[in-house]
Amino acid sequence: AQKVTQAQTEISVVEKEDVTLDCVYETRDTTYYLFWYKQPPSGELVFLIRRNSFDEQNEISGRYSWNFQKSTSSFNFTITASQVVDSAVYFCALSVNQAGTALIFGKGTTLSVSS
Amino acid sequence: DAGITQSPRHKVTETGTPVTLRCHQTENHRYMYWYRQDPGHGLRLIHYSYGVKDTDKGEVSDGYSVSRSKTEDFLLTLESATSSQTSVYFCAINDDSNQPQHFGDGTRLSIL
Repeated sequence: AQKVTQAQTEISVVEKEDVTLDCVYETRDTTYYLFWYKQPPSGELVFLIRRNSFDEQNEISGRYSWNFQKSTSSFNFTITASQVVDSAVYFCALSVNQAGTALIFGKGTTLSVSS
Repeated sequence: DAGITQSPRHKVTETGTPVTLRCHQTENHRYMYWYRQDPGHGLRLIHYSYGVKDTDKGEVSDGYSVSRSKTEDFLLTLESATSSQTSVYFCAINDDSNQPQHFGDGTRLSIL
């Protein structure tokens, strides 16, 4: 069975602080995909990144970076120099390489950035 | 933005009434999904479809049925709504299982 754990329920930071959101996953499949989604207060779900199990390269996109480590089954997300607009619920999700397979979501981490 | 439209966006209804939510896509994607989002649970899959008239159950399918008679439409029906089905419902689409799913804006359903 697959599982995603986001142990941090809520995080509060002040603007310009760096913050890391943790994601730990479980799967027995050797081919799988990891995702991060952002849900701002307006409620929509916004896709941020996809990573496949064969690509452990870290990725940076502006203030966002992702650290994928298969050895610890983690796919952590760091926001550098956080801004108020980063306030949202962030979901980590997992899918395995089967046709039509659904995303298995973690329960989400609520990030609050204050000015 | 992916062309996904959910309707209605908000609905309040009474226990025991039937409810149908609609997801419409303009992307011609093969796969469509219905999730529900509840506090403390994240998003959980209700049903999904892998083609016209091809559907399968998800983690929390009890009390729900779906239909897909056209590529672009995926309907979720609550035959007899219960208060435990009060939730926010999201539709998602993708064209391949390893591609990101893109989500509609959600339907907030309240069952009194």
